[in-house]
Amino acid sequence: DAGVIQSPRHEVTEMGQEVTLRCKPISGHNSLFWYRQTMMRGLELLIYFNNNVPIDDSGMPEDRFSAKMPNASFSTLKIQPSEPRDSAVYFCASGELVTGGYGYTFGSGTRLTVV
Amino acid sequence: DAKTTQPPSMDCAEGRAANLPCNHSTISGNEYVYWYRQIHSQGPQYIIHGLKNNETNEMASLIITEDRKSSTLILPHATLRDTAVYYCIVRSYNQGGKLIFGQGTELSVKP
Repeated sequence: DAGVIQSPRHEVTEMGQEVTLRCKPISGHNSLFWYRQTMMRGLELLIYFNNNVPIDDSGMPEDRFSAKMPNASFSTLKIQPSEPRDSAVYFCASGELVTGGYGYTFGSGTRLTVV
Repeated sequence: DAKTTQPPSMDCAEGRAANLPCNHSTISGNEYVYWYRQIHSQGPQYIIHGLKNNETNEMASLIITEDRKSSTLILPHATLRDTAVYYCIVRSYNQGGKLIFGQGTELSVKP
């Protein structure tokens, strides 16, 4: 089990550029989450999917952010255009939504710097 | 989901038990208590969860009071590698499964 795989690990981009973050969840997990972490705001839930369907995107900060999950093994988080305030660590997590809940597994994160 | 209250920081001597408290006085009957930790620069790591019975696994024990208004995470023999931020989260399965993280407790294990 390779765990949740995120790419790239680090991304430095110029303001105004498009940024795409990628996530491969653990096989068999039916829930996927995108989080953002900054010193000021801590860990924030941006969006989550159940069975590839977006369930709650109320945490997505602006229309500049979009997320897709075209199949059970891949998800993307896109920022267009990027701004310096988007600089953060972005985590993807996956898990099984079963009665009683489940211990979700997080990826190692993508550290995004927008200059 | 019910809110949780945790002390912002705690110290523990290496080899001793670390007892991390969490208050969740507004917890409802269908809400579970989850504990995660985040070691610096890494993604959060699941530790344990429970509903009303005490739980134990290879990482830790979770003690939930009878009225379920508070809980304690116990690391029986803390090591330097247990230095991390520990998050207590209350979540209802019926509310879609999302995890909302608070500020957590920063545990420092000292030699």
